[in-house]
Amino acid sequence: AQTVTQSQPEMSVQEAETVTLSCTYDTSESDYYLFWYKQPPSRQMILVIRQEAYKQQNATENRFSVNFQKAAKSFSLKISDSQLGDAAMYFCAYNYGQNFVFGPGTRLSVLP
Amino acid sequence: DTGVSQNPRHKITKRGQNVTFRCDPISEHNRLYWYRQTLGQGPEFLTYFQNEAQLEKSRLLSDRFSAERPKGSFSTLEIQRTEQGDSAMYLCASSPGLGFNSPLHFGNGTRLTVT
Repeated sequence: AQTVTQSQPEMSVQEAETVTLSCTYDTSESDYYLFWYKQPPSRQMILVIRQEAYKQQNATENRFSVNFQKAAKSFSLKISDSQLGDAAMYFCAYNYGQNFVFGPGTRLSVLP
Repeated sequence: DTGVSQNPRHKITKRGQNVTFRCDPISEHNRLYWYRQTLGQGPEFLTYFQNEAQLEKSRLLSDRFSAERPKGSFSTLEIQRTEQGDSAMYLCASSPGLGFNSPLHFGNGTRLTVT
C-alpha cells in the first residue's frame, strides 16, 4: 500500500525567509503524480504545486518549488520569500490511478 | 467555476441518529471523492465516483456509511446510527478526471460532531 510521511508536524519561518517542508512516500509504481496542498485555517484545501514522477525537472510555481528525488522517494516543498498568507497546514499527496493518499500534514507558522 | 459546495457546514447530532451530507461538485467534473479528516491528520479516503458509478470504497468504511451520486451530478453521504468516533470533517472533492495528474478541487467540508 502506498503511504506518505511528513516528519515535521510543525514548522515556523520568519517573514521573507525561505522554508522547506519534507515529504517521503512509499510506492512500487514507476509513474505517478505528487502534489502539495495548502489548507489555511477554516478554509478549503487548495493545490500549491504538482510533479509527475517521469519528469526530472523540478516543478516551480512562483515562490513555491519542489525538490523531487525519485530514487529516495522524497518530495520536499520550498517556499521562498515567505508571506503571512502562507501560514497554513501543508499536505503532501500521492496519486496513482484514481485515489489520492495524503500525508499527516505540516503546520507552518509565519512570524512577522 | 463556482467551486465545490458542501452542505451543511456544521452538523451536531446525538449518537445513534442518522445524518446526510450533500456535495455539489464543479459542474464539468466527472470524478467526485469523499474524504474524512480528523484533527491534526490528513484527509483519509472514503469513496470515489466516476459519473454516477461508485468505483472504489475504502475498506475502512463501515456498513453504516453509504454514498450516492444518482445522476452523476451532486452526491450525498449518509451515516447511519452515528457514533462518537464519526466526529470529523467530511471533505468532498471533484476532478475533471482527465488523467491521474488532474488535481482535486475541494469544498469547505462538513464538520460533524456526535454527542
